[in-house]
Amino acid sequence: DTGVSQDPRHKITKRGQNVTFRCDPISEHNRLYWYRQTLGQGPEFLTYFQNEAQLEKSRLLSDRFSAERPKGSFSTLEIQRTEQGDSAMYLCASSRFPGQGKSNQPQHFGDGTRLSIL
Amino acid sequence: GENVEQHPSTLSVQEGDSAVIKCTYSDSASNYFPWYKQELGKGPQLIIDIRSNVGEKKDQRIAVTLNKTAKHFSLHITETQPEDSAVYFCAAKTSGNTPLVFGKGTRLSVIA
Repeated sequence: DTGVSQDPRHKITKRGQNVTFRCDPISEHNRLYWYRQTLGQGPEFLTYFQNEAQLEKSRLLSDRFSAERPKGSFSTLEIQRTEQGDSAMYLCASSRFPGQGKSNQPQHFGDGTRLSIL
Repeated sequence: GENVEQHPSTLSVQEGDSAVIKCTYSDSASNYFPWYKQELGKGPQLIIDIRSNVGEKKDQRIAVTLNKTAKHFSLHITETQPEDSAVYFCAAKTSGNTPLVFGKGTRLSVIA
């Protein structure tokens, strides 16, 4: 496994700008998750995909946020009209599809994209 | 929805001593409990997980125990080393499309 890869590692932008982050999951993993982590907190779930289908979205995911996974491989998370409160670490994780007898598979995280809004 | 409480928020131990971190969860349907270690500037790294059909799991110096009746689970690290210093997160999840819910983390410092 080459691990989950996220790009960029850091992003600094002005309030009101749009930003896009990319996540490349572990190659054989068909589930991909996005989380947000603020200082002193644990990761908070935003959304997840199974292959190219977006199956679940958190109430944290406002209309300014959109995520895609067009070919079931890499994913992008876009934030439009960024606000100060969007400053956080955005984490991506991936996992295998649960096999028979196991309802959950371990999620493996990338090193995140740290977003700072000026 | 699920709520996970984690204690303590900070923990300092002498090198070689044991460290214990405790978590409680609210949803009795939760059946998967992973623990993650997060070092500065990195993403969370899975160190051990336990499912609800077992009460304890060990991996070298790390062990996790689960009490389903009391809805709590704990991480035990024995013979701590300076490289164990990090933030540790517990999490809980039910089956299906529900999300993994994390505790707020424990900052462990191992003093040489």
